[in-house]
Amino acid sequence: NAGVTQTPKFQVLKTGQSMTLQCAQDMNHNSMYWYRQDPGMGLRLIYYSASEGTTDKGEVPNGYNVSRLNKREFSLRLESAAPSQTSVYFCASTDGGNQPQHFGDGTRLSIL
Amino acid sequence: LAKTTQPISMDSYEGQEVNITCSHNNIATNDYITWYQQFPSQGPRFIIQGYKTKVTNEVASLFIPADRKSSTLSLPRVSLSDTAVYYCLVGGGSGSARQLTFGSGTQLTVLP
Repeated sequence: NAGVTQTPKFQVLKTGQSMTLQCAQDMNHNSMYWYRQDPGMGLRLIYYSASEGTTDKGEVPNGYNVSRLNKREFSLRLESAAPSQTSVYFCASTDGGNQPQHFGDGTRLSIL
Repeated sequence: LAKTTQPISMDSYEGQEVNITCSHNNIATNDYITWYQQFPSQGPRFIIQGYKTKVTNEVASLFIPADRKSSTLSLPRVSLSDTAVYYCLVGGGSGSARQLTFGSGTQLTVLP
């Protein structure tokens, strides 16, 4: 029972490079989320997908794009990476509404 | 957005009861309060959720006063393995994930 799987676990990029973070869930959840976590700032929502075929901006969407490829997969893309995007990125899924979220173990991204 | 405020850190000793309070003055009528636990290098993990009054499960209790402007997570008889960061999350009731707001987290350190 894998739950939420994120790849890669670690990545180092140079400024201006592009990168896609992958997320897949095997719980048949409708909703999926991307967060970033920075020291002292908790988790901030980047984008979410309430259901397959829909995506919407969260609190900090600038510099990112997302794709809800199918019900299982939700990817996050950095088109032109910047040092300010150095962070730990978490993907989560839920059945929606007030249901608790299930998180992956994160992707640690460093941009030089 | 329902901004949340938590203490940055707390220390406790093994076997003691620990209470962590989260302030959420702007909570919306339909919002739920959810608490998560996070260990280093892992994603947050669901602990407990409530809407009003008191909720108890096998690991924690959640106390929510009538005005719902705050909530208190209670961990009975903590052990060293409870050392982690604890987050409160408010939202979910409006149906929009954009309203999900994590606190900055409370680092709980349990001492022997």
